[in-house]
Amino acid sequence: KAGVTQTPRYLIKTRGQQVTLSCSPISGHRSVSWYQQTPGQGLQFLFEYFSETQRNKGNFPGRFSGRQFSNSRSEMNVSTLELGDSALYLCASSLGGGGSTEAFFGQGTRLTVV
Amino acid sequence: AQRVTQPEKLLSVFKGAPVELKCNYSYSGSPELFWYVQYSRQRLQLLLRHISRESIKGFTADLNKGETSFHLKKPFAQEEDSAMYYCALGLDDKIIFGKGTRLHILP
Repeated sequence: KAGVTQTPRYLIKTRGQQVTLSCSPISGHRSVSWYQQTPGQGLQFLFEYFSETQRNKGNFPGRFSGRQFSNSRSEMNVSTLELGDSALYLCASSLGGGGSTEAFFGQGTRLTVV
Repeated sequence: AQRVTQPEKLLSVFKGAPVELKCNYSYSGSPELFWYVQYSRQRLQLLLRHISRESIKGFTADLNKGETSFHLKKPFAQEEDSAMYYCALGLDDKIIFGKGTRLHILP
């Protein structure tokens, strides 16, 4: 069974640009969550999607957005990039729908904003 | 508000010594608790969950509802245990992580 796949693995962008990250969950998983991981703040929850609907959102500005497609694949977009957005962005999938919340993580996308 | 607290950012332990990584949570319902581990250059992965009550790689964690704690323990540390450990609280639609504890095993 294929694991959670995130693309691209690495990105370098300049301030003011926008970026789109992609996540393919484990087959059969309907919930996809996104996290920002930095050395200082650890893992911070961005948002969670289930059946194409955003169910929960963390405390990030509106520049951070996401969506989920009918096949459960998800994308995350960050507009008007700032230097502080440099981080490892992790995607996690789980069954969702009231079952176990055990999450399976992708390897992440390392975003560097210069 | 639901919260997970890991009070130690860094824990250094000698090889062969006991390990205890602390985790406290705040949640009024019945919690679903996990420990995740991230080894160097590897993806974050589940180490254990409280409902399975199993021991993985020699680690155990007991849920103490009275103290709202879910500490991770291992009687004898090994060098390969060096990693970043995250305690997590599972809710209906998200998982809340603590800030993590870096465990460094000294030779």
